[in-house]
Amino acid sequence: QKEVEQDPGPLSVPEGAIVSLNCTYSNSAFQYFMWYRQYSRKGPELLMYTYSSGNKEDGRFTAQVDKSSKYISLFIRDSQPSDSATYLCAMKQGGSEKLVFGKGTKLTVNP
Amino acid sequence: EAGVTQFPSHSVIEKGQTVTLRCDPISGHDNLYWYRRVMGKEIKFLLHFVKESKQDESGMPNNRFLAERTGGTYSTLKVQPAELEDSGVYFCASSQAQGRGNEQFFGPGTRLTVL
Repeated sequence: QKEVEQDPGPLSVPEGAIVSLNCTYSNSAFQYFMWYRQYSRKGPELLMYTYSSGNKEDGRFTAQVDKSSKYISLFIRDSQPSDSATYLCAMKQGGSEKLVFGKGTKLTVNP
Repeated sequence: EAGVTQFPSHSVIEKGQTVTLRCDPISGHDNLYWYRRVMGKEIKFLLHFVKESKQDESGMPNNRFLAERTGGTYSTLKVQPAELEDSGVYFCASSQAQGRGNEQFFGPGTRLTVL
């Protein structure tokens, strides 16, 4: 069983839609949870960083962590064509800097 | 401020040859990481430097891979001899600190193709 599971998509939505991206994980030692955005031919760029169960909001983005279910989500409100990218979840254990990534979900927002 | 830079952006070599990838971290970042993504798989951790010391090299696949960070500034990752399965995108990242809230900044990657 992979430590982190993420549906690779692709996911295609119309502009203005609410997007929901999800990852599940099996390692209960993960304490820190991240969402990265990666545009084509670029490196991953950190979007959201959380370390407790619950919601964290930043503009149009909301990250949600449910440690009891080992499930994390990223919601994008009022999606824009510029949000078209691959979204990667990543996690790490306390005391380690090793990021464990999901495969990434490719999102296309159509104008 | 310049981000993480990597060189070359793309390298095509034949099986059995040697390739050296270079990473320049953000100035002042003591922590430097190497990751790679092979086709169809997730990005995987290779190793972590703190200054010039290897803190965690648990992800290095085998002894054909050698990472160095002499002087604690830029880092090189050498693959010798290269095999077909080494093809992929090699990312470097750097961070100022470790632990809670620490952000790793990624470079654009080096795309390695082994023929």
